[in-house]
Amino acid sequence: EVQLVESGGGLVQPGGSLKLSCAASGFTFGNYKMNWVRQAPGKGLEWIACISSSYNVVYYADSVQGRFSISRDNAKRTLYLQMNSLRDEDTAVYYCTTDSRSGSSPDYWGQGTLVTVSS
Amino acid sequence: QSVLTQPPSVSGAPGQGVTISCSGSTSNLGAGFDVHWYQQFPGKAPRLLIYGNINRPSGVPDRFSGSKSGTSASLAISGLRAEDEADYYCQSYDRSVNNNWVFGGGTKLTVL
Repeated sequence: EVQLVESGGGLVQPGGSLKLSCAASGFTFGNYKMNWVRQAPGKGLEWIACISSSYNVVYYADSVQGRFSISRDNAKRTLYLQMNSLRDEDTAVYYCTTDSRSGSSPDYWGQGTLVTVSS
Repeated sequence: QSVLTQPPSVSGAPGQGVTISCSGSTSNLGAGFDVHWYQQFPGKAPRLLIYGNINRPSGVPDRFSGSKSGTSASLAISGLRAEDEADYYCQSYDRSVNNNWVFGGGTKLTVL
């Protein structure tokens, strides 16, 4: 069974930092691109970052470019999101997802972790 | 402003059918990218309903079906049930963001 379990969320002050983790199991983690997607309270879904299977290619949404950093450790089957210079508008539930880029393979989501940026 | 356009809300009576549209452009759906659909209940993670335009993951009832043509896609739900009341999102990929994920703004389905 595929499982993605996010952790590391919490309350942080504006300008602060936080690092999220996503532990993967039930599939060959090293073969998949991975994403972070977030959802602000009462709002829709927003893709924010993607990392290739072999670490070397990363992409970010404009809203987090230069502040957030996605990384992975294939040996530990774990995806990370380092979030710096946090703003009120970064308050959201953060989900990690697989990214198969295949119309014949479903993608999987974790249960999410809540990040609250507030003073 | 979402890259993919969905109606904010749709409604239908139990037993009826509804369709939720997802409109894109030549940089996403019209470029041949697949569309996927998610169902989300309050406080819960999105659940994949349809992937690759028409495919249902195991466990998803065949009351849910997807289609795609050109720059548009649709999610059809037949035989509405009270438990279908939820938010629904379409997702695809877009050339303007290096072929990464884009979403519709979401559609709230109300079962009357």
